[in-house]
Amino acid sequence: AQSVAQPEDQVNVAEGNPLTVKCTYSVSGNPYLFWYVQYPNRGLQFLLKYITGDNLVKGSYGFEAEFNKSQTSFHLKKPSALVSDSALYFCAVVSNTGKLIFGQGTTLQVKP
Amino acid sequence: NAGVMQNPRHLVRRRGQEARLRCSPMKGHSHVYWYRQLPEEGLKFMVYLQKENIIDESGMPKERFSAEFPKEGPSILRIQQVVRGDSAAYFCASSPETGGRKNIQYFGAGTRLSVL
Repeated sequence: AQSVAQPEDQVNVAEGNPLTVKCTYSVSGNPYLFWYVQYPNRGLQFLLKYITGDNLVKGSYGFEAEFNKSQTSFHLKKPSALVSDSALYFCAVVSNTGKLIFGQGTTLQVKP
Repeated sequence: NAGVMQNPRHLVRRRGQEARLRCSPMKGHSHVYWYRQLPEEGLKFMVYLQKENIIDESGMPKERFSAEFPKEGPSILRIQQVVRGDSAAYFCASSPETGGRKNIQYFGAGTRLSVL
C-alpha cells in the first residue's frame, strides 16, 4: 500500500533561518510526489511536485524539495523563512488510480 | 481564470437533514476529486469522478454518502441523514484531462459542514 509520513507535527524556526519539513514515502514503482500548503480556513495551494528528472525541485514562494530515492524522502526546504510562511504543510503521493494520499500534515511556525 | 469554486463555504445542518455540497472545477478540467478533513486529522480521499462516471469511490462511506458529476453543471457531494461525525471541511479538487497522474490537483476553498 502507498503511504506518506510526516514525522513532525510542528516545526518551529526563527525568521531568516533555513527551514526543513520532513516527508518520507512508501510506494511501489516510481513515485509522483507533491507538497501543498494550507493557510487557516483556506483550501490547499500547490507548492511543487516531483515526477522525474532532477532530484532538487524548485517551487512557489522560494520553496524547494529534494527527492532522495535511497532514503525514500522528499523533504521541503527554504533557505530563509518568513513569518508569512507559517501554515500547515502537506506532503502527498499520487496513487495508481490518481487520488492523492496525504501525510498527516506539519504545522510550520516561524517566529519573528 | 476562476479557480475551483465550492459552495456554500459554510453549511449548518441539524442531525437527520441532508447536506448538498457543490463543486465547479476549473475551466477545461474534467476530473474532480473530493477530500474530507476531519478535526485533528489529515486529508482523506473520498471519491474521484470524471464527467458522468465514478472512477474511484474507495474512500466514500458505504451509507448516506453519494457523489455525481453530471454532463452539465457542478459536481455534487450529497450526505443524507447527517450525523455529528460528518462535521468536517470538505474539499474539492480538479485536474485536466491530459497528463494523468502527473497532473496538479487544484483545490477549492472548501465547504465547512457543521452538524448540530
